[in-house]
Amino acid sequence: EAGVTQFPSHSVIEKGQTVTLRCDPISGHDNLYWYRRVMGKEIKFLLHFVKESKQDESGMPNNRFLAERTGGTYSTLKVQPAELEDSGVYFCASSQRIWTGGKNIQYFGAGTRLSVL
Amino acid sequence: AQSVTQLGSHVSVSEGALVLLRCNYSSSVPPYLFWYVQYPNQGLQLLLKYTSAATLVKGINGFEAEFKKSETSFHLTKPSAHMSDAAEYFCAVSGDNQFYFGTGTSLTVIP
Repeated sequence: EAGVTQFPSHSVIEKGQTVTLRCDPISGHDNLYWYRRVMGKEIKFLLHFVKESKQDESGMPNNRFLAERTGGTYSTLKVQPAELEDSGVYFCASSQRIWTGGKNIQYFGAGTRLSVL
Repeated sequence: AQSVTQLGSHVSVSEGALVLLRCNYSSSVPPYLFWYVQYPNQGLQLLLKYTSAATLVKGINGFEAEFKKSETSFHLTKPSAHMSDAAEYFCAVSGDNQFYFGTGTSLTVIP
């Protein structure tokens, strides 16, 4: 079974440019999450999809970030325009359909390392 | 609200020595706790989880963690470090529909 796949693995862009990150969750997983780790800090929650609906986007930093999950399969996270402070590692995770409270294991991808120069 | 504190951003141990990575949590409800490991260029891999069953949890690769409610701790241990254990380790607590992570501990194993 394929795991959570993210690409690109690394993206280097200039301030003001646009970048789109993609995440393919494990097949059959309705829950999809985006997290971000700024260097030296903790991994922080950005948002949560259940199928194609945004369940919780309380962690999104500002309106330069747009996440979509059309059709409830893969998801994209677009940053437009990118700023220096957006640099970090963006992780995607997925979990199974039934939310069993805190026991629900999230499976993570390898992350996309974004560098904004 | 939930949060996790990992003491020590970098830990070095000799090969064959005990590994101890510290994690303290804060939770307003009975917590579900996790340890994840990230090897270079790989994703976060689940090492073990505590979900209110046995307080001593055994995970993969010889790691284990003990849930101590009185100390609000969930420290990760391994009796004998191996070179392949060199990685970054993250403690997390589950809350609502998201995980709250610590800042991570980078483990170096010295031959």
